[in-house]
Amino acid sequence: NAGVMQNPRHLVRRRGQEARLRCSPMKGHSHVYWYRQLPEEGLKFMVYLQKENIIDESGMPKERFSAEFPKEGPSILRIQQVVRGDSAAYFCASSLDRKTNEKLFFGSGTQLSVL
Amino acid sequence: GIQVEQSPPDLILQEGANSTLRCNFSDSVNNLQWFHQNPWGQLINLFYIPSGTKQNGRLSATTVATERYSLLYISSSQTTDSGVYFCAVIKAAGNKLTFGGGTRVLVKP
Repeated sequence: NAGVMQNPRHLVRRRGQEARLRCSPMKGHSHVYWYRQLPEEGLKFMVYLQKENIIDESGMPKERFSAEFPKEGPSILRIQQVVRGDSAAYFCASSLDRKTNEKLFFGSGTQLSVL
Repeated sequence: GIQVEQSPPDLILQEGANSTLRCNFSDSVNNLQWFHQNPWGQLINLFYIPSGTKQNGRLSATTVATERYSLLYISSSQTTDSGVYFCAVIKAAGNKLTFGGGTRVLVKP
């Protein structure tokens, strides 16, 4: 049973370009969470999705950022018109259910560098 | 939102030493997890421990939910224990993990 898969592992973009980060949850998991980690800091919650639904996007910047988790395929975190401040590690986690008494399993992250 | 404070922020250990990392949180929780982020950035789930005590090899953890803190013990530390240790919680009736700022551990040979 493969773990949470994120790709690409590293992504380099120039200012103004779009960045697309992909996350395939563990098999059978229908809940996905995205977190951002700035250098030397902890992880900050961005968005929580269930298949085809956004449950909680309270940590998402209001502009340029969007996330989806379609019925088929991976979850996508999309950043439009990237700026240097978007440079960070973006982690995805998945869980089997919405129960709070559960472990979350994290992917290896995507390191986004904006030139 | 809930606040999660970890101490100390940095820790330098000689190989073989023991240490204790602390996590304080500001509200009732029903989920608490400890993670190790290795030097390559990978997050490894160490413990799911909303209350009580658990042990896994040289690592053990204790959470006293009523007093809103958790402790992670590292015994006989090894250089492979280096990295950042994060505590993360979900507050009661919440739905997302909130992370502390981490404790950066360096184990010297």
